[in-house]
Amino acid sequence: QLQLQESGSGLVKPSQTLSLTCSVSGGSISSSVSHSWTWIRQPPGKGLEWIGYIYHTGNSYYNPSLDSRLTISIDTSKNQFSLKLRSVTAADTAVYYCARGGTSDWFDPWGQGTLVTVSP
Amino acid sequence: QSVLTQPPSVSAAPGQRVTISCSGGGSNIGNNNVSWYQQLPGTAPKLLIYDNSQRPSGIPDRFSGSKSGTSATLGITGLQTGDEADYYCGTWDSNLRGVFGSGTTVTVL
Repeated sequence: QLQLQESGSGLVKPSQTLSLTCSVSGGSISSSVSHSWTWIRQPPGKGLEWIGYIYHTGNSYYNPSLDSRLTISIDTSKNQFSLKLRSVTAADTAVYYCARGGTSDWFDPWGQGTLVTVSP
Repeated sequence: QSVLTQPPSVSAAPGQRVTISCSGGGSNIGNNNVSWYQQLPGTAPKLLIYDNSQRPSGIPDRFSGSKSGTSATLGITGLQTGDEADYYCGTWDSNLRGVFGSGTTVTVL
C-alpha cells in the first residue's frame, strides 16, 4: 500500500532554511492525477497546521501565513516532493508530516512525521 | 487560534457513546466537506471520516460523521480504551487554505 516517509535535518538554526523531503513508495506520484501531496505540521503539544500542497503538475497552494517563506516542489522521477521554509524562527519548531491529499481535501495516508527543532 | 472550534475534551465510560463537535463558518464547513482524524499518543494522525460521513476501508462503523450547516459532528459508539486519542476535524477554507480544528482529547473513564 502507499507509504510516505519524511527525511531531512532535525535541527535548524534561526534565520536559516528548513528543508524536508517526502519519499513515496507503493504508488506513483505521477499516476495520482487527482491527489495532492501535502505538508502539515504540529508544534509540540499543539494542534495541526496545514502548510501547503502540490500536484504532480507542479501547481501548488500555500498557507497564506507561510507563503512568503515557503516553497514546495515535486520530483516525479524520484517519486518525492519537498518543502523549503526560509528564515525560520523558534515558532517553526514542530513535527512535520507529509501526506497524500484527496479530492475533497482529506489526507491519507500520512508519514510518521519528523521533528524539526529551530535552535542556535 | 484555530478557524474550526472543537471542545478541548470529552469523556465517557467504556461502552458508552461520545460526540465531538466541530464548528466553523460559511467560508469553510458551510461550503466544503469535512474530514476527521484520530491521533493516538506519539503517532501520526489517521483518517477516520472523509466527505462528512464516509469511512475509509478498515475503519469500524463505531465511528460516524455528520454535517449540518456550518458544523460537523464525530460520533464514537461502544467506546473502548483504545479510542483514547486526540481527534481533529479538517476542511478547506475559501481563503485558499486547509484548516483543522483545535483538537479534542477523548478520555475513557
